[in-house]
Amino acid sequence: GAGVSQTPSNKVTEKGKYVELRCDPISGHTALYWYRQSLGQGPEFLIYFQGTGAADDSGLPNDRFFAVRPEGSVSTLKIQRTERGDSAVYLCASSPRTSGRYNEQFFGPGTRLTVL
Amino acid sequence: DAKTTQPTSMDCAEGRAANLPCNHSTISGNEYVYWYRQIHSQGPQYIIHGLKNNETNEMASLIITEDRKSSTLILPHATLRDTAVYYCIVRVAGTNAGKSTFGDGTTLTVKP
Repeated sequence: GAGVSQTPSNKVTEKGKYVELRCDPISGHTALYWYRQSLGQGPEFLIYFQGTGAADDSGLPNDRFFAVRPEGSVSTLKIQRTERGDSAVYLCASSPRTSGRYNEQFFGPGTRLTVL
Repeated sequence: DAKTTQPTSMDCAEGRAANLPCNHSTISGNEYVYWYRQIHSQGPQYIIHGLKNNETNEMASLIITEDRKSSTLILPHATLRDTAVYYCIVRVAGTNAGKSTFGDGTTLTVKP
């Protein structure tokens, strides 16, 4: 079956512009996570959805970052007034809402954002 | 979530076992140990997880110490394609599982 997909795979934008990054989770997965990863570092948590609602947005760095998941499947990460420091790979992961062992996160390939 | 510490890098000869250690001395009773790996330019890939018993699947084995303060991921017969960054994470499982807190992982290089 299809895995987590993210579009675009690469995005180049200019400082100050607005960008949207899209994540299509695995069908039926209720949990969805956004992370960002800078070169040479591990992924850094941004926000986590359980269904349509943000269960934990403690990782969003400031109010320029916002994410939505209006129908409980596809999610969009929105970044306003982009800065060069926002350049990173943005990773999305999904997870089924089940107890016990089957709680691993399935990651997409990421969107590489470059802010010039 | 509890934090983990891992060596920055390790080498392993092709065909030999790769043993990757992880310390998680502040792990809570309801936290599992998860291992992921990330091959260059790809998203992290789940490998295995466990609570307190040793676990084995088709990819690897996970050995957790009795006090749960450390664990070892074992790749029994490493291949060149196992070259990757390996992340050890401790995380609550179950229906209310939340974020994963990644460190910088161990870069494993498998050499011919």
